[in-house]
Amino acid sequence: AQTVTQSQPEMSVQEAETVTLSCTYDTSESDYYLFWYKQPPSRQMILVIRQEAYKQQNATENRFSVNFQKAAKSFSLKISDSQLGDAAMYFCAYRSASEWAGGTSYGKLTFGQGTILTVHP
Amino acid sequence: NAGVTQTPKFRILKIGQSMTLQCTQDMNHNYMYWYRQDPGMGLKLIYYSVGAGITDKGEVPNGYNVSRSTTEDFPLRLELAAPSQTSVYFCASRDGSASSYEQYFGPGTRLTVT
Repeated sequence: AQTVTQSQPEMSVQEAETVTLSCTYDTSESDYYLFWYKQPPSRQMILVIRQEAYKQQNATENRFSVNFQKAAKSFSLKISDSQLGDAAMYFCAYRSASEWAGGTSYGKLTFGQGTILTVHP
Repeated sequence: NAGVTQTPKFRILKIGQSMTLQCTQDMNHNYMYWYRQDPGMGLKLIYYSVGAGITDKGEVPNGYNVSRSTTEDFPLRLELAAPSQTSVYFCASRDGSASSYEQYFGPGTRLTVT
């Protein structure tokens, strides 16, 4: 079974600065997807960024980028030019890609415990 | 296009009561999921469905039941509510095609069992 670990329960950053949230995972699969989700106080789950394991290039979405280290099973999220609206709980999530080959993963997401990000003005 | 909607937003139940959490999506997605989020934790899968009439258990199915009679609706039934079921419940849906990545989440239902 896959596991996802976020070792930082809380992080804080000054507005306009950069912060990195850590995530490690454990899997025996070679093909999978990794995601970062943002959960603001409204509770809505918002997809921030995704990474396909077969791609060597790190994903980037505007101020958000990842550092994907497949051999180390590490998937960190970097937020540049932090804004007050970035304050939220952030979850790292794993999904097997095996369903595309007739596997039985059914697209289930396995989540880490979350990191609460505080942004100071 | 409303996406994934859930009702109610909040509910307080007494121990032993039953209730149904409603989930509806208007994106014609085949795959639907129910997760629960305990305080300070990530989401865990309760049940999922890959199409109308097809459901299966996730990681934490005990105390819950589901049905999927239409593509749009995926209700979650709690029988004999227990304090351990105090949680926030999220419904999600996804297009089952090979090119789809994202699960779309509803706004959640906060349930307290006392």
